[in-house]
Amino acid sequence: QSVLTQPPSPSGTPGQRVTISCSGSSSNIGSNSVNWYQQLPGTAPKLLIYNTNQRPSGVPDRFSGSKSGTSASLAISGLQSDDEADYYCAAWDDSLNGVVFGGGSKLTVL
Amino acid sequence: QVQLQEWGPGLVKPSETLSLTCAVSGHSIRSGHYWGWIRQPPGMGLEWIGSIHHSGTNHYNPSFKSRVTISIHTSKNQFSLKMNSVTAADTALYYCAFYGDFDAFDVWGQGTMVTVSS
Repeated sequence: QSVLTQPPSPSGTPGQRVTISCSGSSSNIGSNSVNWYQQLPGTAPKLLIYNTNQRPSGVPDRFSGSKSGTSASLAISGLQSDDEADYYCAAWDDSLNGVVFGGGSKLTVL
Repeated sequence: QVQLQEWGPGLVKPSETLSLTCAVSGHSIRSGHYWGWIRQPPGMGLEWIGSIHHSGTNHYNPSFKSRVTISIHTSKNQFSLKMNSVTAADTALYYCAFYGDFDAFDVWGQGTMVTVSS
């Protein structure tokens, strides 16, 4: 059971905008920034969004992050087949004094 | 550019100690950042194991705290993970990662698979 809760299998069609939610608590998302990782099949995770809504160099602006209260969201606009991957949210947890991950969301592009 | 490479035995017997090393290149391990270990059981999600700073300060996932030691080896620009009393539940792909200026794991190793089996 992960500390952060994500939908297990979101989906969308090419060109569509999809959002992936990440629900936490006051000790993690509520008081710290959120990071998102993309894991393509058979590869190591890659940082997609940091500090809740910042993109590392090279990440398309189709990817965006936001947070409200104890929940965060990753939005992907103009969905492409290459976006099929597992997506994980993560945050520092003040109570556990460590990093917590969501259970992951396996995005399918229909 | 930071690059990480993990290595260690791919097979560990139950109740024994899992030992992995992560070699850092392109960046000094004394840089003032944290270095971490994350694992991923087959078909499952990511689980943070712990992180260490070059000063020796570390943070561990409470789920592992009594079994895990992360050490830093500045002369070799490496850091390591030891997990004792392993069981089949510890079978996973183990990643080392760099917790950089973004306050995120922004560089990952390719991962090394460890199977716990007799």
